[in-house]
Amino acid sequence: DIQMTQSPSSLSASVGDTVTITCRASQTISNYLNWYQQKPEKAPKLLIFAASFLQSGVPSRFSGSGSGTDFTLTISSLQPEDFATYYCQQSYNTPPYTFGQGTKLEIK
Amino acid sequence: EVQLVESGGGLVKPGESLRLSCAASGFTFSNYNMNWVRQAPGRGLEWVSSISSSRSYIYYVDSAKGRFTISRDNAKNSLYLQMNSLRADDTAVYYCARVSDIVVVPAARPNWYFDLWGRGTLVTVSS
Repeated sequence: DIQMTQSPSSLSASVGDTVTITCRASQTISNYLNWYQQKPEKAPKLLIFAASFLQSGVPSRFSGSGSGTDFTLTISSLQPEDFATYYCQQSYNTPPYTFGQGTKLEIK
Repeated sequence: EVQLVESGGGLVKPGESLRLSCAASGFTFSNYNMNWVRQAPGRGLEWVSSISSSRSYIYYVDSAKGRFTISRDNAKNSLYLQMNSLRADDTAVYYCARVSDIVVVPAARPNWYFDLWGRGTLVTVSS
């Protein structure tokens, strides 16, 4: 199975900052990579699919990039509602649809 | 409103069974592949099972094989997960999730992603 590793596991930032979260696959997955946001006690929400496509309704301050094994999620000009946990997910070799372990973004 | 609503969770003892349901509304359920994803307390997301729109393809995570059965009733717009021989490590919030796809490169496989999630139902396995 393909393993997905996110870094960092946690991150502190301030409103207005730009942050980058990295996801690395254990083998090449082309652009078969999705990003989700999860707030406490809530269901995950799709942000980015196919590595760089912004889901409808998601603010443009969210962007995704990468191909092969290395991917990034960038959040520009952080807003208070962006503090959450972020997960990457591969859909290249399924099943299983492997998720990363998550990155918790906290307010500094 | 486009939504998924899970039900059927609860507290059960090890070895017991539970059947989860997911009611879909606001979209043509029969057109979509569906999944169950779980999240143990304080942990990350774990994909559990998938079923294709016509029930032709069914998959499970290794830990669920032989114990869980995914099914769907397209006439009732519903997805199910029958869970038998439950263990303490099955304790989690169980989400149903809809799969959508995009073909980015012509002739390549579609990119699948989970674009609609329910709120989840909590399953607790404890003696």
